[in-house]
Amino acid sequence: NAGVTQTPKFRVLKTGQSMTLLCAQDMNHEYMYWYRQDPGMGLRLIHYSVGEGTTAKGEVPDGYNVSRLKKQNFLLGLESAAPSQTSVYFCASSMRFRRGGGETQYFGPGTRLLVL
Amino acid sequence: AQSVSQHNHHVILSEAASLELGCNYSYGGTVNLFWYVQYPGQHLQLLLKYFSGDPLVKGIKGFEAEFIKSKFSFNLRKPSVQWSDTAEYFCAVNPENSGYSTLTFGKGTMLLVSP
Repeated sequence: NAGVTQTPKFRVLKTGQSMTLLCAQDMNHEYMYWYRQDPGMGLRLIHYSVGEGTTAKGEVPDGYNVSRLKKQNFLLGLESAAPSQTSVYFCASSMRFRRGGGETQYFGPGTRLLVL
Repeated sequence: AQSVSQHNHHVILSEAASLELGCNYSYGGTVNLFWYVQYPGQHLQLLLKYFSGDPLVKGIKGFEAEFIKSKFSFNLRKPSVQWSDTAEYFCAVNPENSGYSTLTFGKGTMLLVSP
């Protein structure tokens, strides 16, 4: 049981290049999330998905796209990378929302991205 | 939109000192509250959470937090810290009526425990 895994662990891009970050979970969770973590800013939600084939925007969605073609995978894409997207990206997953349930999000190890 | 405020960005303590990290949120309805910890170079892990019942919640590694609804607070405490508690701590909130499990995080508090 690997939990939440992310690929790659580290990447360097030049401005304008594109890339896709892959998140996979083996806990059969309905919900998946992408966050970025910047010093002094905490974690900010980029996009999330409440099920296969569905996605929604979070707090900071501009410059990113996502896809959830399979329940266990959630992809984050950068079509044209910018230096402002230099960050650590975390994926998370959780069971579906239940009123009064307080579902826990489980996080992956992160992807460190540097855009030059 | 809801927000989460963590009062201290950096806290430095000696081993065996007591710890209290402040967290306040701005949301008037029912909330689920979480404390996550991120050890150096690692991913976030859940310390504890409150979603109903006893407002004093106990988590892993001797941590506890108290939900005070009237103060919109969910402060994290530990009676005696250890060097291994050096980490960044994040408070997060999920409003019940959002219908989703999305979290709004505070900016984090970096705790450094000196031996």
